[in-house]
Amino acid sequence: DVKVTQSSRYLVKRTGEKVFLECVQDMDHENMFWYRQDPGLGLRLIYFSYDVKMKEKGDIPEGYSVSREKKERFSLILESASTNQTSMYLCASSLPGDRGSRNTEAFFGQGTRLTVV
Amino acid sequence: DQQVKQNSPSLSVQEGRISILNCDYTNSMFDYFLWYKKYPAEGPTFLISISSIKDKNEDGRFTVFLNKSAKHLSLHIVPSQPGDSAVYFCAASEDNFNKFYFGSGTKLNVKP
Repeated sequence: DVKVTQSSRYLVKRTGEKVFLECVQDMDHENMFWYRQDPGLGLRLIYFSYDVKMKEKGDIPEGYSVSREKKERFSLILESASTNQTSMYLCASSLPGDRGSRNTEAFFGQGTRLTVV
Repeated sequence: DQQVKQNSPSLSVQEGRISILNCDYTNSMFDYFLWYKKYPAEGPTFLISISSIKDKNEDGRFTVFLNKSAKHLSLHIVPSQPGDSAVYFCAASEDNFNKFYFGSGTKLNVKP
């Protein structure tokens, strides 16, 4: 059974803190993603990684960085947390498109609800 | 500007009737489309997908229709059940399947 695991379900952090959100997948997927979900805005892509040590900015990368040192692990870092980063954070993984397979849906973790106070 | 749009934030349907959720996109390079279902405090789960070479894909009670000329897709749920009550997200990707773009979601409420 495929699994994407996020290290925390709920987090409360103070403004200015450095925050690490961890994500691990056991499907040997090349692609990993970080999204945030906000009411009325849906899921917005923060960062995307298509291989170890490779990363690409998504639509809203400001205030975030990422780390992918191992294939199975993708970390999202909030350098200095702010209240507007209070959100639900979702990690996902998928196979790359160059496999020729059309079964390339993204598999999501359970989400981390981050509150910055 | 969002490339995938779901213009109905919510939909209420009676149990046993059909639910129709709509989605529009602007990027003509999208060629793979997906629907996800999300319950509160959980991650989205994959529901059904369709490639741009098709105009319909069916899986049990769920059918997705694609109209490429109109850049529009829809999800039909027949018959609707109370357990279908959730937020539904439409998503799309380009031919390299490397990125998924999501709509803002439609909250479906199926009334018993």
